[in-house]
Amino acid sequence: QQQVKQSPQSLIVQKGGISIINCAYENTAFDYFPWYQQFPGKGPALLIAIRPDVSEKKEGRFTISFNKSAKQFSLHIMDSQPGDSATYFCAASISYQGGKLIFGQGTELSVKP
Amino acid sequence: SAVISQKPSRDICQRGTSLTIQCQVDSQVTMMFWYRQQPGQSLTLIATANQGSEATYESGFVIDKFPISRPNLTFSTLTVSNMSPEDSSIYLCSVEHLANNEQFFGPGTRLTVL
Repeated sequence: QQQVKQSPQSLIVQKGGISIINCAYENTAFDYFPWYQQFPGKGPALLIAIRPDVSEKKEGRFTISFNKSAKQFSLHIMDSQPGDSATYFCAASISYQGGKLIFGQGTELSVKP
Repeated sequence: SAVISQKPSRDICQRGTSLTIQCQVDSQVTMMFWYRQQPGQSLTLIATANQGSEATYESGFVIDKFPISRPNLTFSTLTVSNMSPEDSSIYLCSVEHLANNEQFFGPGTRLTVL
């Protein structure tokens, strides 16, 4: 119940294309869903986050789509660039449990020029 | 966001020894956490570092193996004790802003145990 399942494990996209990464969860108590971007040798960086009261959140080229009934959320990277090549992690937490993030397995994104 | 530093950035240690990792934040924060990221894997929460009291450990992690201190609101240490090669991982500290649950990570400490 505490798992967050992420797919695909790896993704290759052409420059200018749309990258889509999906996550699914079981625990309906989760109420905070962030996405992190991690470059090799670096710590994860918070990219964008959403709460269940909205179905979509957009920040620049990054959009989270959230489907509460399906217990799924996804990250869309529009106009993907080679600089977006990194590992992306979805996560989930329960606010009243003090920020214990449960992470997905990660997606290694490669954007080809 | 918060500026988080960790020391050391990396280390190579011998089996059976211990290593203490430091985490420093540039502002006072309520919540601090320690995570482990095994090679090529995702992040797993080790424990919540509580200021002035014992850390709260997740299932599978124990205080004898991973003692944690948090003497004030901007500093915490994680010790990896009696190390074995299976402890080779990246260890990351993070802090959370309670107002919006945003959690920020330090650069990590890459530990290799021979």
